[in-house]
Amino acid sequence: QKEVEQDPGPLSVPEGAIVSLNCTYSNSAFQYFMWYRQYSRKGPELLMYTYSSGNKEDGRFTAQVDKSSKYISLFIRDSQPSDSATYLCAMGYNFNKFYFGSGTKLNVKP
Amino acid sequence: ETGVTQSPTHLIKTRGQQVTLRCSSQSGHNTVSWYQQALGQGPQFIFQYYREEENGRGNFPPRFSGLQFPNYSSELNVNALELDDSALYLCASSYGDSRTYEQYFGPGTRLTVT
Repeated sequence: QKEVEQDPGPLSVPEGAIVSLNCTYSNSAFQYFMWYRQYSRKGPELLMYTYSSGNKEDGRFTAQVDKSSKYISLFIRDSQPSDSATYLCAMGYNFNKFYFGSGTKLNVKP
Repeated sequence: ETGVTQSPTHLIKTRGQQVTLRCSSQSGHNTVSWYQQALGQGPQFIFQYYREEENGRGNFPPRFSGLQFPNYSSELNVNALELDDSALYLCASSYGDSRTYEQYFGPGTRLTVT
């Protein structure tokens, strides 16, 4: 079983839609949770970081962590064509090793 | 502020050869992590260097080795290349404190092994 599971998509939505991206994990020791965005032929870019459980909001992005269910989510409100990319979740239990999901490809249609 | 840079951009090698990839960390960062990203997959952690010492390693064989220099730039060396080593190799730099989660990635080096 992989440490982190993520639906690869692709997920196709119309512009303005609310997007929900999710990951599940198996290691209950994970306490650092990140979401990255990766455009084609580029390195990942950190979007959101959450420590332990709870919600965090930054502009159109909201990250949620439910440690009891081992489930994390990223919501994107008012999605834009420029949001089209692959979204990667990542997590870890210390600072020297992070586990990534396989990424969900998102396409926002104008 | 200079971002993370990697060289070369692309590389083609033959099975059995050795390769060295290079990474310059972002100004002020003293920690570099290396990742392997196969096509359609997420990055897999290879190892991390903090102040010139290896500070954690993923499930990669010893033929994957690294160095970090006093200016905190880093190299990834892979010996005895195998076809499965074909991937995008990413380095990420960060501060070596509670902000280590805030990794800044370079654009990657795409390695093809034939």
